[in-house]
Amino acid sequence: QLQLQESGPGLVKPSETLSLTCTVTGDSISSDSNFWAWIRQPPGKGLELLGTIFHTGVTYYNPSLKSRVTLSVDTSKNHFSLWLSYVTAADTAVYYCAGHQRAVGRAAGDNWFDPWGQGTLVTVSS
Amino acid sequence: QTVVTQEPSFSVSPGGTVTLTCGLSSGSVSTPHYPSWYQQTPGQAPRTLIYSTNTRSSGVPDRFSGSILGNKAALIITGAQAEDESDYYCVLYLGSGIWMFGGGTKLTVL
Repeated sequence: QLQLQESGPGLVKPSETLSLTCTVTGDSISSDSNFWAWIRQPPGKGLELLGTIFHTGVTYYNPSLKSRVTLSVDTSKNHFSLWLSYVTAADTAVYYCAGHQRAVGRAAGDNWFDPWGQGTLVTVSS
Repeated sequence: QTVVTQEPSFSVSPGGTVTLTCGLSSGSVSTPHYPSWYQQTPGQAPRTLIYSTNTRSSGVPDRFSGSILGNKAALIITGAQAEDESDYYCVLYLGSGIWMFGGGTKLTVL
């Protein structure tokens, strides 16, 4: 069964870079049916997609965050990572990693987020 | 900039039917937007309910269904139960590798 687990610091100082890793178990990160995504949720607010990545390194970023977000995949470790630079208090959120599945043969864009990691709270504060 | 719209809140009586919608600030929702729906209870990660407009995710009760109604995507809960009280989010594909979440609907069952 495919499972995802986030890891990384829970506290980051303003203007620094937030870095998180998502470890994938139960399937290969190189599966052709899976993209991989990072999604965040500020306290009391809704969900926001940060970006999504394929194992080949193809990435799609949220245009509103594109200048600060970087995603990468490490197929040897079966994990993928998020970097968010120049953080401010507004970046305080629960960060989720998720599979961004697309059934083989389905059209581009016909993706859905599943499964989800449990989420990790990252607080931006000095 | 295009915004994905959802009702901020909705209420339904136990056993009742409720339709939550997912629209676009400009234009109509149609099948190529590939709507998906997620349920989230407080303190928990979201759970996938529906994808590709109307396909139920594994283990999701059949009281949950998805469709396109008029110019919006819809999540229909038929025979609502107390445990359905949650936040519900939709996602639409806007093209060019852009997927966007709606703001979420807080559903109360009372």
